[in-house]
Amino acid sequence: DAMVIQNPRYQVTQFGKPVTLSCSQTLNHNVMYWYQQKSSQAPKLLFHYYDKDFNNEADTPDNFQSRRPNTSFCFLDIRSPGLGDAAMYLCATSRPHWTSGGPGQGTQYFGPGTRLLVL
Amino acid sequence: GESVGLHLPTLSVQEGDNSIINCAYSNSASDYFIWYKQESGKGPQFIIDIRSNMDKRQGQRVTVLLNKTVKHLSLQIAATQPGDSAVYFCAENWSNFGNEKLTFGTGTRLTIIP
Repeated sequence: DAMVIQNPRYQVTQFGKPVTLSCSQTLNHNVMYWYQQKSSQAPKLLFHYYDKDFNNEADTPDNFQSRRPNTSFCFLDIRSPGLGDAAMYLCATSRPHWTSGGPGQGTQYFGPGTRLLVL
Repeated sequence: GESVGLHLPTLSVQEGDNSIINCAYSNSASDYFIWYKQESGKGPQFIIDIRSNMDKRQGQRVTVLLNKTVKHLSLQIAATQPGDSAVYFCAENWSNFGNEKLTFGTGTRLTIIP
């Protein structure tokens, strides 16, 4: 089945130790997103790629970086994790809905998330 | 700034009853709206969507209503089941030549009482 896969599902890192989270998709979607979600809050967009074009949200800290080496894979790098970066990190993919033929085609499909714990 | 908000943070419904979750949005340029269901420890799951040129769309046990006049969105779940217990997010989509952005509401926690 086509899907969005995130690895690992749980990640423990030490304060200040770089960590990389990965996302892959078999949907062949143009757009890939990274969200941060803290407990009892809505997902917050960090950045997204439209094909190879990178779009950073204005309030995303410089500590967060991303790479998309090809259509299928996208990585989230946290250069120096702080205690406040402990959260669920969600990857999502989509085709732009204005290119689609009808409802349900342009929505974002989410992976299961990676829960990051910073010690 | 623009925002999407929900009226109620929690909602408890008896199993078998219908539930309605409401959402207000403020970005008049948004042209596509989505409801997501998120169970504990999982990613958001697409439920149903609606474009701005529609005012109602039905799925299996779910209906989304869109009132553009008052910028209001609702999700109706019929004959609720224990598996419907989750947090529900509305989201509005705004696109500008492929630069798609999804803004989530704050979420409503739906609890189905057996």
